[in-house]
Amino acid sequence: GAGVSQSPSNKVTEKGKDVELRCDPISGHTALYWYRQRLGQGLEFLIYFQGNSAPDKSGLPSDRFSAERTGESVSTLTIQRTQQEDSAVYLCASSYPLGGDEKLFFGSGTQLSVL
Amino acid sequence: KNQVEQSPQSLIILEGKNCTLQCNYTVSPFSNLRWYKQDTGRGPVSLTIMTFSENTKSNGRYTATLDADTKQSSLHITASQLSDSASYICVVSSGGSYIPTFGRGTSLIVHP
Repeated sequence: GAGVSQSPSNKVTEKGKDVELRCDPISGHTALYWYRQRLGQGLEFLIYFQGNSAPDKSGLPSDRFSAERTGESVSTLTIQRTQQEDSAVYLCASSYPLGGDEKLFFGSGTQLSVL
Repeated sequence: KNQVEQSPQSLIILEGKNCTLQCNYTVSPFSNLRWYKQDTGRGPVSLTIMTFSENTKSNGRYTATLDADTKQSSLHITASQLSDSASYICVVSSGGSYIPTFGRGTSLIVHP
């Protein structure tokens, strides 16, 4: 079956532009996560969706970052007025929540480069 | 605050040798601990899960241990291969929370 799909795989943008990153989770997975990974660093939690609602968005670094999810499926992460510090790999993961036994399935990520 | 600490930060070994990666956590209440492998340019993939009652679990050449009393886990890789070169991430889940706590990972390089 298909895994978690992210697009684009690479995005180069100019400072100040807006970008949209897309995540298609595994069918039936109601939980969806976004993470940021800077070069050589660990994964940084951004936001968690359960269905279409986001009970935990505590990791979003600023109000330039937003995310939405529709139809308990596709999610988009939007970064407005991009800055060079936003350059990183953005990873999406999905899971079928089992009350604390979550196995996360990750996409390959979107490599964002802000020039 | 829930935390997961991994050591060493990086490790270089020769092909065929064994190695052990360490993970210490302060996550409460503890639910389970997973080891993920992240190849360069890819997302992490789960290798194994350890629950409170499990002390050791093997998955091929990978063997994970858990000491719930000392809150430590290890991942032992036997007879390393070039394809083992990756980042190994320790992730601990807490009961009642859907947000697991990630360690920063150990970068393993296996040289021929």
